[in-house]
Amino acid sequence: QVQLVQSGAEVKKPGASVKVSCKVSGYTLTELSMHWVRQAPGKGLEWMGGFDPEDGETIYAQKFQGRVTMTEDTSTDTAYMELSSLRSEDTAVYYCATYSSGLFDYWGQGTLVTVSS
Amino acid sequence: DIQMTQSPSSLSASVGDRVTITCQASQDISNYLNWYQQKPGKAPKLLIYDASNLETGVPSRFSGSGSGTDFTFTISSLQPEDIATYYCQQYDNLPMYTFGQGTKLEIK
Repeated sequence: QVQLVQSGAEVKKPGASVKVSCKVSGYTLTELSMHWVRQAPGKGLEWMGGFDPEDGETIYAQKFQGRVTMTEDTSTDTAYMELSSLRSEDTAVYYCATYSSGLFDYWGQGTLVTVSS
Repeated sequence: DIQMTQSPSSLSASVGDRVTITCQASQDISNYLNWYQQKPGKAPKLLIYDASNLETGVPSRFSGSGSGTDFTFTISSLQPEDIATYYCQQYDNLPMYTFGQGTKLEIK
């Protein structure tokens, strides 16, 4: 059984960066394809990007390209999502989720990132 | 980009009712569609994959159907614990993934 435990809530000022972590247990990170999905308050789910097992590359939604970086530390089975140049519209809950054959099957508990001056 | 349109955006029904939610894709996505349930303050949970396959452990009152551009999600007999927001998600346009805007289900 895969378990994903994310880092705690963050408050950031506009223009800053945030780095959210997602610790994997039950499997190793190398056995999984990790993606990130966010949800603004009262809004729907928005896919941000993740590891594409087809070509072994990390792919990002066009909306976030240039501002987001997704990395992995296989020695600690921890995935990271860093978002830069934060603005108020980036206030959201950020989820890590494992991807398999078109679906997202295991999810972290979510990390609230608040962007406020 | 493929757009996913869910309807209705919100729905109120009574315990025991049959509930139906629709999801329409902006182009043919075959059966590359999944359904998720999200309860307040919780992460989404996969219910249905490939349009009509029930995820292991999900009650049989949940079902999905459709292909091409039009899909349906059904709860055959609404239970109090089914109060949640439901999302469809397409994966035809790999490696890009799109969710519908969600349907909030409430008890009448």
